Amino acid sequence: DQQVKQNSPSLSVQEGRISILNCDYTNSMFDYFLWYKKYPAEGPTFLISISSIKDKNEDGRFTVFLNKSAKHLSLHIVPSQPGDSAVYFCAARGTSYDKVIFGPGTSLSVIP
Amino acid sequence: GAGVSQSPSNKVTEKGKDVELRCDPISGHTALYWYRQSLGQGLEFLIYFQGNSAPDKSGLPSDRFSAERTGGSVSTLTIQRTQQEDSAVYLCASSIGRGSYEQYFGPGTRLTVT
Repeated sequence: DQQVKQNSPSLSVQEGRISILNCDYTNSMFDYFLWYKKYPAEGPTFLISISSIKDKNEDGRFTVFLNKSAKHLSLHIVPSQPGDSAVYFCAARGTSYDKVIFGPGTSLSVIP
Repeated sequence: GAGVSQSPSNKVTEKGKDVELRCDPISGHTALYWYRQSLGQGLEFLIYFQGNSAPDKSGLPSDRFSAERTGGSVSTLTIQRTQQEDSAVYLCASSIGRGSYEQYFGPGTRLTVT
């Protein structure tokens, strides 16, 4: 039973355009959400996060939007760059636990 | 400063053998996590340590898997009587501890069971 879902296994975007990666979750107790980026043969690296008390968090080219009623979040990258090509994992954490649950990931390809 | 390190980076073993995977977390990080990523799959949670104790072992796939952490630092993941389905990249991550959500990952150990 997947609590964090990323329904698009892959996404291709032209350089300079916006990349939108989506994530859905089922557990309403999740209170903190994170996005990680992973290059081949490397461990994931933290990218951006958002608390459930907010609906938007922005960091440079990266913005995460949270829609609690829909249990949906999205990561926007604009403008997309070829170096953004990687696998992006959505992750969520509950209030009483340190375990972070990861989604299956979306592979983003930014085409020059 | 030094990040999370894992050894070996690659391990090829024969079915039925035991393997030990090591993780050195960032100094001062009290929380340590093990995940695995099978080919084409996401990150599967295995076990979590807070200090030397493991409050959550729910992700360990079978009793062939065990992990320990000593001195609140280094952790070892042991897989006994390896099977081909154990082939995966095993990732370790650490974080400052309770209340900190950001995890820092090591580069992983790629395990291949032949």
